[in-house]
Amino acid sequence: AQSVSQHNHHVILSEAASLELGCNYSYGGTVNLFWYVQYPGQHLQLLLKYFSGDPLVKGIKGFEAEFIKSKFSFNLRKPSVQWSDTAEYFCAVKDGSARQLTFGSGTQLTVLP
Amino acid sequence: DSGVTQTPKHLITATGQRVTLRCSPRSGDLSVYWYQQSLDQGLQFLIQYYNGEERAKGNILERFSAQQFPDLHSELNLSSLELGDSALYFCASSAGASGNTIYFGEGSWLTVV
Repeated sequence: AQSVSQHNHHVILSEAASLELGCNYSYGGTVNLFWYVQYPGQHLQLLLKYFSGDPLVKGIKGFEAEFIKSKFSFNLRKPSVQWSDTAEYFCAVKDGSARQLTFGSGTQLTVLP
Repeated sequence: DSGVTQTPKHLITATGQRVTLRCSPRSGDLSVYWYQQSLDQGLQFLIQYYNGEERAKGNILERFSAQQFPDLHSELNLSSLELGDSALYFCASSAGASGNTIYFGEGSWLTVV
């Protein structure tokens, strides 16, 4: 079974700092990759997704992620975070045969004003 | 607003009781997924239905069951509730069965006392 690792459990940054959240997965075949964000008290929202093509994916709210196949990674980045980015971020993977997403444990991002 | 509607938003019940959570998928979506989010287990896939039929099963307990009705809404039934069943239960939907892009509802908070 595939697994997804998010090594940073809690990240604290000041506004305008750059962000990179790590995500590694275990499956060696074709994968679809996702980042979701969950703002306090709200549902999961899709930030961005990668299916194929350009490994650098741009999403909503200025986020981007880079798929590095050789490293089994799909790290999320943002050049300059805002206080409103405070939320929990989940990486998710779907391999070619699965119909459901496997989620990482999440990274809580706190942005200090 | 993702278009996925879940009721109730909050529910408090006693151990041993049974509850039903309801989900209406986005208009046109045929697949419904149920996920459980708890502090110790993270986001766990429970079950998927596609056009009324069970399509994939995850870490769903035998005390839990689900179904999808002809109008495509779904219900998750949780019985013989235990304290450890306290969690946020998310419903999600997608257009097809492959689940390449799924949209989450706001969740139903279940507290078992």
